[in-house]
Amino acid sequence: GIQVEQSPPDLILQEGANSTLRCNFSDSVNNLQWFHQNPWGQLINLFYIPSGTKQNGRLSATTVATERYSLLYISSSQTTDSGVYFCAVEGEKGSNYKLTFGKGTLLTVNP
Amino acid sequence: NAGVMQNPRHLVRRRGQEARLRCSPMKGHSHVYWYRQLPEEGLKFMVYLQKENIIDESGMPKERFSAEFPKEGPSILRIQQVVRGDSAAYFCASSPSSGRYTYNEQFFGPGTRLTVL
Repeated sequence: GIQVEQSPPDLILQEGANSTLRCNFSDSVNNLQWFHQNPWGQLINLFYIPSGTKQNGRLSATTVATERYSLLYISSSQTTDSGVYFCAVEGEKGSNYKLTFGKGTLLTVNP
Repeated sequence: NAGVMQNPRHLVRRRGQEARLRCSPMKGHSHVYWYRQLPEEGLKFMVYLQKENIIDESGMPKERFSAEFPKEGPSILRIQQVVRGDSAAYFCASSPSSGRYTYNEQFFGPGTRLTVL
């Protein structure tokens, strides 16, 4: 099946700093989503971005499908940005619409 | 517009009991997915259902686990004779459609945290 690798695994920032999270995937995708799992365990949809660039406030994402990677940018980070960021993909071939998740990036934003 | 709803949010069972987890998809969504998040592991797909049909159950353990999505009512994930290794967070997701070249964003519920004593 499709493989998803996220980097870095852990990231510690001071409030106000910017960061870039990366997601590499091993095959063509129908769907790519970014999620934030907050400290209460809830999965929040950030972006649905199988290709192209999107922005939502301080967050933006870019997926270059031909090169099989996606980037999530967080600008002017806040303590509420802390949590785990997951990239998840639905492969084109034989995945039957299920999402395969990366292991996540644990982000800690200190005041 | 209500999101995906799951209940209960927390469930405690003793070994050998049954656990029933419920999921109501977002309004207008007819595709339901169940995922499990084990401690120290990532989120793993379990099963994909449409109304009255199991489409893909390749991630479901072969024994003790079953899922349904009846014509009326929520989707149910059922775990019989629970063991300690079943302790995990179980998430349900729904999407408006599925398949290539369609808008198939999955939206997740808050999860059910199952603890087996």
